Amino acid sequence: DIQMTQSPSSLSASVGDRVTITCQASQDINYYLNWYQQKPGKAPKLLIFDSVYLEPGVPSRFSGSGSGADFTFTINSLQPEDVATYFCQQYDNLPLTFGGGTKVEIK
Amino acid sequence: EVQLVQSGAEVKKPGESLMISCKGSGYIFTNYWIGWVRQMPGKGLEWMGIIYPRDSDTRYSPSFQGQVTLAVDESIATAYLQWTSLKASDTAVYFCVIQTGSTSMIRDWGQGTLVTVSS
Repeated sequence: DIQMTQSPSSLSASVGDRVTITCQASQDINYYLNWYQQKPGKAPKLLIFDSVYLEPGVPSRFSGSGSGADFTFTINSLQPEDVATYFCQQYDNLPLTFGGGTKVEIK
Repeated sequence: EVQLVQSGAEVKKPGESLMISCKGSGYIFTNYWIGWVRQMPGKGLEWMGIIYPRDSDTRYSPSFQGQVTLAVDESIATAYLQWTSLKASDTAVYFCVIQTGSTSMIRDWGQGTLVTVSS
């Protein structure tokens, strides 16, 4: 299985701050990396696919970058509605695997 | 509109069997894989496996192989996740999802089914 190491596991930032989350795969996964947002009691929502592409309707303050084994997810100008847990996920190989999640809170 | 509607919450005892369901609508059910994702209380997401409704081709995560069974009834556009003997450690929310390929992103999720296993 491909292991996905996500960090940090939690963070607290102020409204308007830039927030960065990293995800490292245990092997080269090309660009087959997605980012999801999950709010309490809800199903995850796809935000970014193929490492860099924003899902339609997702605010442009969200962005992703990276390829190979190292990836970054950024929220430019954190908003109160961004409070959630964020997960990375690889789909280069089965089984699909997720990072451990990053809980984002407002300071 | 693509929708996956899952069956309701379940409370079971250890050793009991269970089948939960996921009904797809708003798309051609047989054209896409249906997968299942587990989320244990307060924990992350774990991909369990997928099934292709057209021919019931099934792929399991090694972590779940032999622990659960995936099934599908294409005539009613419904997928199933089954256990023959539940354990307390099966307590979790289970999401069904649509995958466009065996390896793909997950755009569409069911609302989740909470399974509680307790004596």
